[in-house]
Amino acid sequence: QVHLVQSGAEVKKPGASVNISCTAFGYSFTDHTIHWVRQAPGQALEWMGWINVAHGNTQNSERFQGRVTFTRDSSANTAYMELNNLKSEDTALYFCARDRFYKGGDVFDLWGLGTMVTVSS
Amino acid sequence: EMIMTQSPVSLSVSPGEIVTLSCRASQNIGNHLAWYQHKPGQPPRLLIHDVSTRAADVPARFSGSGSGTEFTLTINSLQSEDFALYFCLQYSNWPHRYTFGQGTKLEIK
Repeated sequence: QVHLVQSGAEVKKPGASVNISCTAFGYSFTDHTIHWVRQAPGQALEWMGWINVAHGNTQNSERFQGRVTFTRDSSANTAYMELNNLKSEDTALYFCARDRFYKGGDVFDLWGLGTMVTVSS
Repeated sequence: EMIMTQSPVSLSVSPGEIVTLSCRASQNIGNHLAWYQHKPGQPPRLLIHDVSTRAADVPARFSGSGSGTEFTLTINSLQSEDFALYFCLQYSNWPHRYTFGQGTKLEIK
């Protein structure tokens, strides 16, 4: 069965870092880029960036410049997102999502369940 | 800055009815619009991409339309399993930028 499994909920203090994993099952991991998206309470989903898991190149939203790092371990079919210098505003549900190319461009066609990150002193 | 505005924020309808959800883009996004369904405890599900193309295994009662800045998701003959959150995604700047709408919650009347 094709699905993405994310790591469990995290509670962090301001200034700390969080590392979330996303493991792919049921498809060829290197065939699809992995994106990261988050949703803060009461807010719209926010795109954070992506990693091309075949080549390792990444791009992130300007909003997270200097604070986010995307990596992957292809041998484990797993992508990772590390967010540094956490603030209370980073409290959110973090999703990984696979993309697929359609006529109009890359769209997220498979999502994980999300990982809740709570930042609190 | 691209802003995607969905309306209404929530909608209460009865099974069997037809419902139309709206997504408006602050700039022209051509046909780079997708719709998703999200239920609690489940991952978001891709319903529609490229404005009107249904994703695999999506029932024909779901249809999308629009272009430019105004888009619509229509659900014909609502089923009990259709009550969920629906959100739109614009990808006109893919792979450099993606923007989501805030969602419309579809509730049972």
